Amino acid sequence: AQSVTQPDIHITVSEGASLELRCNYSYGATPYLFWYVQSPGQGLQLLLKYFSGDTLVQGIKGFEAEFKRSQSSFNLRKPSVHWSDAAEYFCASGGASKIIFGSGTRLSIRP
Amino acid sequence: DADVTQTPRNRITKTGKRIMLECSQTKGHDRMYWYRQDPGLGLRLIYYSFDVKDINKGEISDGYSVSRQAQAKFSLSLESAIPNQTALYFCATSETSGGRTDTQYFGPGTRLTVL
Repeated sequence: AQSVTQPDIHITVSEGASLELRCNYSYGATPYLFWYVQSPGQGLQLLLKYFSGDTLVQGIKGFEAEFKRSQSSFNLRKPSVHWSDAAEYFCASGGASKIIFGSGTRLSIRP
Repeated sequence: DADVTQTPRNRITKTGKRIMLECSQTKGHDRMYWYRQDPGLGLRLIYYSFDVKDINKGEISDGYSVSRQAQAKFSLSLESAIPNQTALYFCATSETSGGRTDTQYFGPGTRLTVL
């Protein structure tokens, strides 16, 4: 069955530090993979997506993610976080008809 | 103007009441979705629709029903609301790519409280 796991519920990093949010997926075929961000009181916004091709994908706001088939992972990274990056981040996996979301990782930024 | 709108944005109701949440979109997408968000559980799919005549249950459809009145409108109803339906509800539309669901566009959410 299709599933998405985000093992970290809450992460706190210092402003200017690097960030990596983990995501593992389970899907029989090549998945479509997504990262969405939810700022407080708002809906979700797409950060980036992977369908095929280059396994390192660039997104908005300076984020990138790397697809590793051997590890069934699609981790999100940013080299230097800003206070405005504080939000909840969701990894998602898409099949033919619907998208399955992970439970989310809440990111806090330490000044 | 927002591409995906939801009304109302907040609603407080009592157990047993019928509630309808409405969603409209100007994206021109055929695919529309209703999700519910609970802390620590992420987004769970309630219903989805690929066109006006194609409605499908998601993983948590019990206690909910939907109506796709037009390509642009997709409503979610709680026939008899209960307290554990208190949650944040999101409507979304999606593009397709190669016949598969692609990027989703979300509304701002409806916060529903059932007393």
